[in-house]
Amino acid sequence: DGGITQSPKYLFRKEGQNVTLSCEQNLNHDAMYWYRQDPGQGLRLIYYSQIVNDFQKGDIAEGYSVSREKKESFPLTVTSAQKNPTAFYLCASSRGISNQPQHFGDGTRLSIL
Amino acid sequence: AQSVAQPEDQVNVAEGNPLTVKCTYSVSGNPYLFWYVQYPNRGLQFLLKYITGDNLVKGSYGFEAEFNKSQTSFHLKKPSALVSDSALYFCAVLDGSNDYKLSFGAGTTVTVRA
Repeated sequence: DGGITQSPKYLFRKEGQNVTLSCEQNLNHDAMYWYRQDPGQGLRLIYYSQIVNDFQKGDIAEGYSVSREKKESFPLTVTSAQKNPTAFYLCASSRGISNQPQHFGDGTRLSIL
Repeated sequence: AQSVAQPEDQVNVAEGNPLTVKCTYSVSGNPYLFWYVQYPNRGLQFLLKYITGDNLVKGSYGFEAEFNKSQTSFHLKKPSALVSDSALYFCAVLDGSNDYKLSFGAGTTVTVRA
């Protein structure tokens, strides 16, 4: 079945540590996105990528970094500069930057030790 | 800039009764509107979208939504709710003039009691 796979499902970070969240899709979608979900706040866009080797900052990019070396993969690194990283992180993809719906993975829940 | 408001944090209905989840939006260009549903510890599932055409849009699982341009609303409806419809619902608007970014409402928790 085609879809988006996020791993791990749960992740713990120590103070001062960088962690990387994985996102893989086999939908052959060009565009990929990372969102952060906090209770009562909806989803906020961190980074997005329209094509391989290109990505743009979203609304809350500070303290995060991404790469897009392959069409299928869009990993997100939560750096030590992100002072409040505890959240539910969702990866999504779509058929290009367009009015087509985005498809979501099942998320990674990041917590601080 | 675009924005979405979901005025109700929670909606409670009895099984078999009609369900309505409200959404209003603000966007500078043509609105592209979406509804998603989220079950606990899962990603978002697409329910339906309005791009253009008929104001009444039908989607998955018996849901439908009515686009009202004059009231800038896009309310989600289901004629007869099921207990399994209990979930978190998000309305989203996509701004075609802003790199097609999606803006989400804060979400509405729907509880359907048996």
